[in-house]
Amino acid sequence: DAGITQSPRYKITETGRQVTLMCHQTWSHSYMFWYRQDLGHGLRLIYYSAAADITDKGEVPDGYVVSRSKTENFPLTLESATRSQTSVYFCASSPRGLNTEAFFGQGTRLTVV
Amino acid sequence: EDQVTQSPEALRLQEGESSSLNCSYTVSGLRGLFWYRQDPGKGPEFLFTLYSAGEEKEKERLKATLTKKESFLHITAPKPEDSATYLCAVRPSGGYNKLIFGAGTRLAVHP
Repeated sequence: DAGITQSPRYKITETGRQVTLMCHQTWSHSYMFWYRQDLGHGLRLIYYSAAADITDKGEVPDGYVVSRSKTENFPLTLESATRSQTSVYFCASSPRGLNTEAFFGQGTRLTVV
Repeated sequence: EDQVTQSPEALRLQEGESSSLNCSYTVSGLRGLFWYRQDPGKGPEFLFTLYSAGEEKEKERLKATLTKKESFLHITAPKPEDSATYLCAVRPSGGYNKLIFGAGTRLAVHP
């Protein structure tokens, strides 16, 4: 099916562990994004990528690492998870960047204990 | 500082009772304003993009308008299936990697 899929949907991890959230899109969109959504806050941009091998920081990049070796995949890694990183993470893609509409995945709910 | 504020935080309507949601913004120049709909447990779904003051866009029972300081999402004769959280996002001119989301308005439409 065409679209954008995230995995896992739910994840519980311990403080200090490394965890990777996966994102895959089938539209061949150039741009991909990672956001986090916390209660009482709007979505906040963590990292984005304009193309394979091109990534850049968003508003809240500390503690996260991204890579994009293929156009369709954009994994997000928490190198050493902290409780403050408990959140719902959304991956999105767009054909033309932040100036146009984005298509979001279903989200990954991450709990760091 | 760039800021986006949505009001009200929550809104309860009876089916057929029209109303408006507000998104006010303070940014150094506007490149675009976006409205999204988000259902519980799902990712946001794109509704509209507005680029300049005076612009309006419509889709079914929804109509989005834009002024220099705020945007309204008008909902005409809502149905229960319109219940969702509506998110506003602003793309400021100044930051090339910035897209600022408001906290959203939770809309509940009761039959």
